Amino acid sequence: QKEVEQDPGPLSVPEGAIVSLNCTYSNSAFQYFMWYRQYSRKGPELLMYTYSSGNKEDGRFTAQVDKSSKYISLFIRDSQPSDSATYLCASYNQGGKLIFGQGTELSVKP
Amino acid sequence: SAVISQKPSRDICQRGTSLTIQCQVDSQVTMMFWYRQQPGQSLTLIATANQGSEATYESGFVIDKFPISRPNLTFSTLTVSNMSPEDSSIYLCSVGSGADQPQHFGDGTRLSIL
Repeated sequence: QKEVEQDPGPLSVPEGAIVSLNCTYSNSAFQYFMWYRQYSRKGPELLMYTYSSGNKEDGRFTAQVDKSSKYISLFIRDSQPSDSATYLCASYNQGGKLIFGQGTELSVKP
Repeated sequence: SAVISQKPSRDICQRGTSLTIQCQVDSQVTMMFWYRQQPGQSLTLIATANQGSEATYESGFVIDKFPISRPNLTFSTLTVSNMSPEDSSIYLCSVGSGADQPQHFGDGTRLSIL
């Protein structure tokens, strides 16, 4: 079992839709979670960094951690064509190594 | 966050040759890392570049194939040695301020081996 799993998509939505991106992780001891956005031909860009459970909001983006189900989510409200990118979830494992999901490719159509 | 510059941004190399990738940061950083991202895949950690000492390599990666230098707190290099087509990938440098802290990435080096 992979330590962090993510549906690779691709996911296509119309402009203005609410997008939900999801990952699961294998170890309930994981506490630090990140979401990165990666545009084509660019490196991953940090979007959200959360610790433990709960929600964190930043503009149109909300990161959610549900430790009981070992599930992390990123919600994008009022999605824009400029949000079209690959989104990667990540978490530090118990060995201190940053583990990434496979990435979900998102396309927002005008 | 720190500005991270990688050189070259892309290259096409012949089988059996070696290429050195540079990573320059605009401020001193505690931790520097090298990752590989194969087409359509996620990021895999190659090694942690330790300032003033040998790099710490992950399982499946060895120093002879991926020698790393880190002479100071703002610069590191990764060499891909004796390249084969299987080494065609994106190589990414990242920096972090400490354990469990988010890492920040350069734009990567896109490497193709013929």
